[in-house]
Amino acid sequence: DADVTQTPRNRITKTGKRIMLECSQTKGHDRMYWYRQDPGLGLRLIYYSFDVKDINKGEISDGYSVSRQAQAKFSLSLESAIPNQTALYFCATSGPGTGGAYEQYFGPGTRLTVT
Amino acid sequence: GQSLEQPSEVTAVEGAIVQINCTYQTSGFYGLSWYQQHDGGAPTFLSYNALDGLEETGRFSSFLSRSDSYGYLLLQELQMKDSASYFCAVRPNSGAGSYQLTFGKGTKLSVIP
Repeated sequence: DADVTQTPRNRITKTGKRIMLECSQTKGHDRMYWYRQDPGLGLRLIYYSFDVKDINKGEISDGYSVSRQAQAKFSLSLESAIPNQTALYFCATSGPGTGGAYEQYFGPGTRLTVT
Repeated sequence: GQSLEQPSEVTAVEGAIVQINCTYQTSGFYGLSWYQQHDGGAPTFLSYNALDGLEETGRFSSFLSRSDSYGYLLLQELQMKDSASYFCAVRPNSGAGSYQLTFGKGTKLSVIP
């Protein structure tokens, strides 16, 4: 079984809809991250969390919110989706055993299309 | 803040050696990481340089020179399966940001027969 899982893997939604992307991990890591990937722009950090009581904004948090329901679960919400949020979304984890944030483990990604 | 520059595309021949460069501007960082991403796949960690110099892992090596604000990933004995995108990333050394990574925009490597 995969260590970092994301659901759904693909989603098409309409402008204005609320949507939630979910991430679960079995690695026992305390740090979790949400990234967005657009062609030619690399990976950009949306939010990150050090534990269930700690949530931090990343580079591009506007239009997004997150919830850390448990150490193993970190969800990303788009309250009112818009077409320019069409992208590939990745969840990632890291922990002290991996030397800190420089070695992150990524989920398989969620391809989101907003029409 | 941090910014990283990489070539957008590189093409190399199977069996050859290729170097992917990463130049950066940063206010301070712990080290430079490299990730590989195949089309349709997730990024996977390749290497990390905390100190200046060369780190070798099999066919892959990574180099860092803080004085030159420069690093590179070296791939030897190229194989077709090495066709992928490669990202450099820095880990800032300032407060909460020290647990983040800032990624370059990636270099798409195409290996041709």
